Amino acid sequence: DQQVKQNSPSLSVQEGRISILNCDYTNSMFDYFLWYKKYPAEGPTFLISISSIKDKNEDGRFTVFLNKSAKHLSLHIVPSQPGDSAVYFCAASAGNNDMRFGAGTRLTVKP
Amino acid sequence: ETGVTQTPRHLVMGMTNKKSLKCEQHLGHNAMYWYKQSAKKPLELMFVYNFKEQTENNSVPSRFSPECPNSSHLFLHLHTLQPEDSALYLCASSPGGLNSPLHFGNGTRLTVT
Repeated sequence: DQQVKQNSPSLSVQEGRISILNCDYTNSMFDYFLWYKKYPAEGPTFLISISSIKDKNEDGRFTVFLNKSAKHLSLHIVPSQPGDSAVYFCAASAGNNDMRFGAGTRLTVKP
Repeated sequence: ETGVTQTPRHLVMGMTNKKSLKCEQHLGHNAMYWYKQSAKKPLELMFVYNFKEQTENNSVPSRFSPECPNSSHLFLHLHTLQPEDSALYLCASSPGGLNSPLHFGNGTRLTVT
C-alpha cells in the first residue's frame, strides 16, 4: 500500500529555470511532510518540511507547497543549479515514527 | 562525514551466511531506524527503536533481527537471506519527538548471492 507517490521518475530542467517536483499522498492522517535529497553513494539528507497547519514553507531557493484538499505537495527550486541534480524523495508521517516515502524523482539540471 | 555512520558500506554474502550491519549515531538522538531501499521502490521502514525499545516492526521476516544496545548504536543481524533481500539498507536517527526529520547514514549496499 503505497501511501506516498511520486509519479515522475525523472525531471530535466535548464540551469536558472524553476524545478517543480510533485508528490501525492492518500492518508488523510498525515500531518507532517518532508523533502529529502539524495546524491549517489550517500544517504538521503533532509531539505525542507511543512506541517499540515501551513500551506507554504520557504527556505532560500526551496519552497514547499501543501494542498491538503488535493492531498498534494510540491517542491519548487528556483533558480535551479547543476548542484541540485540528485534524487528527491517526498515523505510524510502521521505524528508517529512511521515515516512513509515516495519512490523518488531524479532531477537533472543542465548547465 | 554524517552524524550517522554505517558499516560496512558494501557486503556480499551467501544465503547460508550470518552477518551484521552496524549503525552508530553521534547526534544525541533517542530514536533509531532501519530502512530498506530496493531499486526504483520507496524506502521501506523496517524497525524503529525509541530509547532502546522497539516500537515498530513493519512485518519484517525473522531472518532480519535488530538489536539496539543503547541509544547510539543499532545493529541488523542477517541470517539465511534470499537474493531478493539484496538492497541498500539505510540507518537513520531522530531526536525522537513528533515531527522531526530523520538523519540518514550512507547505507550498506547488500548483495545476497
